[in-house]
Amino acid sequence: GENVEQHPSTLSVQEGDSAVIKCTYSDSASNYFPWYKQELGKRPQLIIDIRSNVGEKKDQRIAVTLNKTAKHFSLHITETQPEDSAVYFCAAQGGGADGLTFGKGTHLIIQP
Amino acid sequence: DAGVIQSPRHEVTEMGQEVTLRCKPISGHNSLFWYRQTMMRGLELLIYFNNNVPIDDSGMPEDRFSAKMPNASFSTLKIQPSEPRDSAVYFCASSPQTGSMAEQYFGPGTRLTVT
Repeated sequence: GENVEQHPSTLSVQEGDSAVIKCTYSDSASNYFPWYKQELGKRPQLIIDIRSNVGEKKDQRIAVTLNKTAKHFSLHITETQPEDSAVYFCAAQGGGADGLTFGKGTHLIIQP
Repeated sequence: DAGVIQSPRHEVTEMGQEVTLRCKPISGHNSLFWYRQTMMRGLELLIYFNNNVPIDDSGMPEDRFSAKMPNASFSTLKIQPSEPRDSAVYFCASSPQTGSMAEQYFGPGTRLTVT
């Protein structure tokens, strides 16, 4: 089955700086890669996703890149703000299976 | 739309008791997923349904767990008998279409504590 590795587990950045979270996956048949944000005690919420036919996608301060050859994808948040503080999860889906395989999460801390 | 609805939001039970978690997906969504979240294991897929039919239950931990989807608007996850290691947050999610590359919308979760 699919295996998703996520790094780092904790990331602390100064407000206004950029944050980068990286994930790798094992199944070359995976073709959909969503990123979820989860605040304490809340449900995971989709913030951006990318499909295997594109290499990069951007939505305001958030961008995701995908390298299919290396089986690697990353989340980039620019101009970080206090409300960006949360746990972020990457996930992979595909190969005939609809369920998501999640990384272990990154606790992003925005320092004022 | 009210989003995915789960009940109860919190459940505290004693070891050995039966627990039933309930989920109402977003109207019109064809796929439903059950996930479990713990500190140790993170978010794990337990089982999912397409058009009310169970497709993959390989994530169900053991025979004590069972899930049903009798119609398009209701699903249950049952644990019988429950054990302390089942303590976790259980999320239900639904998706508007079967097949991959479709967004999954999560419910608020049920926090289960087994003492």
